[in-house]
Amino acid sequence: DIQMTQSPSSMSASLGDRVTITCQASQDIGNNLIWFQQKPGKSPRPMIYYATNLANGVPSRFSGSRSGSDYSLTISSLESEDMADYHCLQYKQYPLTFGSGTKLEIK
Amino acid sequence: EVQILETGGGLVKPGGSLRLSCATSGFNFNDYFMNWVRQAPGKGLEWVAQIRNKNYNYATYYAESLEGRVTISRDDSKSSVYLQVSSLRAEDTAIYYCTSLFLYWGQGVMVTVSS
Repeated sequence: DIQMTQSPSSMSASLGDRVTITCQASQDIGNNLIWFQQKPGKSPRPMIYYATNLANGVPSRFSGSRSGSDYSLTISSLESEDMADYHCLQYKQYPLTFGSGTKLEIK
Repeated sequence: EVQILETGGGLVKPGGSLRLSCATSGFNFNDYFMNWVRQAPGKGLEWVAQIRNKNYNYATYYAESLEGRVTISRDDSKSSVYLQVSSLRAEDTAIYYCTSLFLYWGQGVMVTVSS
């Protein structure tokens, strides 16, 4: 199985900060990765497809990138509405696997 | 407007079984691979199962932790997908989400396994 090691597990940042969350894949997944945002009591919302492509309606302050086996979600300037849990998912190979999640809090 | 509605959850005794249903509308269901994803209380997301569409012969895939206890199926005429889970354990307690290739998601249905 492909393991997705997500870091950090939690973080606190100030409004306007640049925030980066990373998932490291244990095997090659190409760019077959989705980033989700999940707010309390809500369903996950896809933010980034195919590692770097912004989903419809997602603010441009969100971006995705890849460096080798490391995949990152970056928020260029944190806003209060970005407080949420973030998850990555690899869909290169079955079983599909999620990262363990990152809880993003606002200072 | 896309709508995805999961039903069939509830309180189940250990060893029991249940069938979750997911009714959809507002998108071309026949084109999509459908998935179930679950989330235990306070935990992360866990992919459970996928069923491909007719073009891929309705192939099914399962998480290893549930294989042998779950069956995913679909009825294209009803734009619905189902998840049958048997031999339920306490660790199966979770919100179960239905999602179309992770683009559209339902609100989830709670399954609690407890005596």
